[in-house]
Amino acid sequence: SQQGEEDPQALSIQEGENATMNCSYKTSINNLQWYRQNSGRGLVHLILIRSNEREKHSGRLRVTLDTSKKSSSLLITASRAADTASYFCATDARTNAGKSTFGDGTTLTVKP
Amino acid sequence: GAGVSQSPSNKVTEKGKDVELRCDPISGHTALYWYRQSLGQGLEFLIYFQGNSAPDKSGLPSDRFSAERTGGSVSTLTIQRTQQEDSAVYLCASSGGLAGNNEQFFGPGTRLTVL
Repeated sequence: SQQGEEDPQALSIQEGENATMNCSYKTSINNLQWYRQNSGRGLVHLILIRSNEREKHSGRLRVTLDTSKKSSSLLITASRAADTASYFCATDARTNAGKSTFGDGTTLTVKP
Repeated sequence: GAGVSQSPSNKVTEKGKDVELRCDPISGHTALYWYRQSLGQGLEFLIYFQGNSAPDKSGLPSDRFSAERTGGSVSTLTIQRTQQEDSAVYLCASSGGLAGNNEQFFGPGTRLTVL
């Protein structure tokens, strides 16, 4: 079964608004990561949150993790047109540490 | 330092031909991953190398796909007798392989088109 399923599949907002994307997964994890992808090419790592952490911040990014619900959320505050991209979560399962499994991603469009 | 590089950046081939895609990971990274991404889709895991361990080949879609990693560094993904459904972007990533911090660094990908 697919780990790391994001929702919504697509999100369109105005510049300055906040964007929230969610990720659900199925098995116990060591950590969860969020990545960003522009133009269908290589992904860029944004943030990693460990299984014993509940919230993490990096600039305008805020990530939460709820291991009881097996879910995570990525919040981008004060969005900019340049934030337009696809965002993926990736989970590192306890049973197969080191091998991350990616979801299908959320496509975010920020309108200027 | 240099990031992950992949070559070629684009490859157009005819159905039935074999292709080789190359990945140069970040120096010193013990883990190397291959993924496939079709247009507008997520990443499909193909194969994972970690140090000297046997690779995890569980994601390879058929026996036409194979990969090797020579000397624990450069990796080559080979697709034999290519089919049109093999058309996709093939992404390579490497990581330090540290327990609890397997941040992956991605290459720019190879866009494969099978005519």
